[in-house]
Amino acid sequence: DAGVIQSPRHEVTEMGQEVTLRCKPISGHDYLFWYRQTMMRGLELLIYFNNNVPIDDSGMPEDRFSAKMPNASFSTLKIQPSEPRDSAVYFCASSPQGTEQYFGPGTRLTVT
Amino acid sequence: GQQLNQSPQSMFIQEGEDVSMNCTSSSIFNTWLWYKQDPGEGPVLLIALYKAGELTSNGRLTAQFGITRKDSFLNISASIPSDVGIYFCAGQEGGSQGNLIFGKGTKLSVKP
Repeated sequence: DAGVIQSPRHEVTEMGQEVTLRCKPISGHDYLFWYRQTMMRGLELLIYFNNNVPIDDSGMPEDRFSAKMPNASFSTLKIQPSEPRDSAVYFCASSPQGTEQYFGPGTRLTVT
Repeated sequence: GQQLNQSPQSMFIQEGEDVSMNCTSSSIFNTWLWYKQDPGEGPVLLIALYKAGELTSNGRLTAQFGITRKDSFLNISASIPSDVGIYFCAGQEGGSQGNLIFGKGTKLSVKP
């Protein structure tokens, strides 16, 4: 079975540019999560969805970040405009019941 | 906010040795999970624990849900080189479906 799919795997962009990260969750999973991982702060939950509805976005750093889930098989995380401090690995995870979460391979974002 | 203390931060062991690591929280959790992350990949779920006192094994891995519900332990027996990676604990409070709090990780190195 396919796991969580994320694209792109690597993204290098210049400060001020818009960045869109994409995620396809495991089929049948009702929950989708976006995390950010850095050396300093570890794994941080940014936002999660249940049945395509955003439930908790308290981890989204600021208005430059937005996430959407237009259907059960696709979600995006957008950063506009991007800044160097946004450089991190961004993970998408999905879960059937919200607890056991299965992670994708991540997108390594570098903002110069 | 809620914090998890995971220790040790890193371990250097000889192949064949047993490994122990633990996680403590400042409040009660209803669920504990253990993940392993290899370089350049997303965390992989190893074990999930749902009841205080529960002891669960997955091959050479054994994890326990502490009786106080504020801690959890992971043991690896007879370590092998492929056990190398970063191990994360994660906890979930009651009534917070979806919100996993992650420890900072234990980096395991195994000398052949």
